[in-house]
Amino acid sequence: DIQMTQSPSFLSASVGDRVTINCKASQNINKYLDWYQQKHGEAPKLLIYNTNNLQTGIPSRFSGSGSGTDYTLTISSLQPEDVATYFCLQHSSRYTFGAGTKLELK
Amino acid sequence: EVQLVESGGGLVQPGRSLKLSCAASGFTFSNYYMAWVRQAPKKGLEWVATISTSGSRTYYPDSVKGRFTISRDNAKSSLYLQMNSLKSEDTATYYCASRLYNSGFAYWGQGTLVTVSS
Repeated sequence: DIQMTQSPSFLSASVGDRVTINCKASQNINKYLDWYQQKHGEAPKLLIYNTNNLQTGIPSRFSGSGSGTDYTLTISSLQPEDVATYFCLQHSSRYTFGAGTKLELK
Repeated sequence: EVQLVESGGGLVQPGRSLKLSCAASGFTFSNYYMAWVRQAPKKGLEWVATISTSGSRTYYPDSVKGRFTISRDNAKSSLYLQMNSLKSEDTATYYCASRLYNSGFAYWGQGTLVTVSS
């Protein structure tokens, strides 16, 4: 089974900051990596699919990059509404979620 | 408007069974892979099951394989999860989610809570 190591677990940043969240796979996942945002009490929401494809309706301040085993979600300028927990998901072989990154405002 | 509405959750004793349903509307259900994803209280997300568009292929993690069965009825735009031999560690909110081939899970339901306790 593919394991996903997501970091950091917790992140505190200010409005306007550039924020990066990382996921490392235990083996090459060939860019089959999605990012989801989950706000408190809500269902997850797809942000990025297959490493760098922005889902329709998602603000362009969100972007994704990576290859092989290492992947990154970047928020170019943090907004108050971005406070949430973020999860990566590999779908190269079955599915594995990362443990999540809780993002809060400083 | 796209909607996924789960139902069937509740309190169940360990070892018993429960069947969840997910009613889809607002999109062509038969074109989408469907999945169940769960989230234990204050924990992360865990993939539970996936089914192909026709229903001919199903996939499970080891944690539920042999106990859970995913199925779908494309004529009714509905997804199901039969859960047998439930354990306390199955306590979670269960979400149904849909994805097109080679895309992400774009649509999610609001979740249904399953509590396994005596």
